[in-house]
Amino acid sequence: DADVTQTPRNRITKTGKRIMLECSQTKGHDRMYWYRQDPGLGLRLIYYSFDVKDINKGEISDGYSVSRQAQAKFSLSLESAIPNQTALYFCATSEAGVGTDTQYFGPGTRLTVL
Amino acid sequence: AQTVTQSQPEMSVQEAETVTLSCTYDTSESDYYLFWYKQPPSRQMILVIRQEAYKQQNATENRFSVNFQKAAKSFSLKISDSQLGDAAMYFCAYSGGYGNKLVFGAGTILRVKS
Repeated sequence: DADVTQTPRNRITKTGKRIMLECSQTKGHDRMYWYRQDPGLGLRLIYYSFDVKDINKGEISDGYSVSRQAQAKFSLSLESAIPNQTALYFCATSEAGVGTDTQYFGPGTRLTVL
Repeated sequence: AQTVTQSQPEMSVQEAETVTLSCTYDTSESDYYLFWYKQPPSRQMILVIRQEAYKQQNATENRFSVNFQKAAKSFSLKISDSQLGDAAMYFCAYSGGYGNKLVFGAGTILRVKS
């Protein structure tokens, strides 16, 4: 079984709809991250969380919100989806502490906003 | 802010040959980590190799090795004995400072010719 899972794997929605992307992990890591990937731009950080009570904005947080329901679950929401939020979204996890910087990625969610 | 630059949008290599992918980065920090991730058509992000900035020795993982030049802020990936399965998008990434957030380059598409 995968250590980091994302649901759904693919989603098509319409402009103005609310949508939630979910991430779960069984690695026991404290830190979780949401990135989006766009062609020619690589991956960019949307939000990150160090524990249930510690959530931080990343480089491109506008238009997104997150919820850390438990150590193992971190959800990303688009309150009112717009076409330029069409992208590939990744969740990642890492341990906390010095030298534990490696991030492990989920399989990604392909989101299309029409 | 840290930046990562991959100047080669696409590269090609003949099967069994060697190829080098380039990456430069900009940071004012002295302690950080550098990574190469592989993204095959399955879109999964796979860690290829990791380098700790305080280590002078270049990291090696089987056919993959890096040339880390800290003063020049350069971090290239060498793939020896290229195989068809190496064909993918390769991302260079930097991690440092608070939260160890990853900063990615735009990626290099590697094509392997048989």
